[in-house]
Amino acid sequence: GQQLNQSPQSMFIQEGEDVSMNCTSSSIFNTWLWYKQDPGEGPVLLIALYKAGELTSNGRLTAQFGITRKDSFLNISASIPSDVGIYFCAGQFRETSGSRLTFGEGTQLTVNP
Amino acid sequence: DGGITQSPKYLFRKEGQNVTLSCEQNLNHDAMYWYRQDPGQGLRLIYYSQIVNDFQKGDIAEGYSVSREKKESFPLTVTSAQKNPTAFYLCASSKLPDRVMNTEAFFGQGTRLTVV
Repeated sequence: GQQLNQSPQSMFIQEGEDVSMNCTSSSIFNTWLWYKQDPGEGPVLLIALYKAGELTSNGRLTAQFGITRKDSFLNISASIPSDVGIYFCAGQFRETSGSRLTFGEGTQLTVNP
Repeated sequence: DGGITQSPKYLFRKEGQNVTLSCEQNLNHDAMYWYRQDPGQGLRLIYYSQIVNDFQKGDIAEGYSVSREKKESFPLTVTSAQKNPTAFYLCASSKLPDRVMNTEAFFGQGTRLTVV
């Protein structure tokens, strides 16, 4: 099956710093999604990307769909304490997997005030 | 409010007992999914369904069963055959993808199952 590598596994930063995390795949996707999960809750969708090269922002969050269709990154600018949580990338290739998503292992973000 | 409802939030069961987790959605989504999450781990797909009365095994289906009798509902049964059932279970739903439709998956709040 498709493999999704997400890095880094964890990050410890100071409030106000920028953050960058990325995902790479062994094969192409035609959809990339980024989610955030707070402790004990379900993941919440942050950004959806549908076209290679697409760059999309949602407030302080920016994500890009890599031109090769095998990678994506998420940037968080000027981090704040409520950014703490686990961030997941997910990819989909509908021609072979239909609606199934493949998830990365997650990036645990800790923000020190 | 439209969304996905999982119940209960916390569930305790004795070893050897079957237990059923509920998932209901009112988003009119065709596809529904069950994931398992262990501490510090990502999401692993147990089962998914893209149409009523049909479902497919995911990556870790052994010891689990599902049904899809109604579009809105996709209950998951954790059977006694599941060797390590204690985990956080997440249900999700989405539209089916085509060339123009978005296919984001939306998640419920999760059920934490503890087997003692």
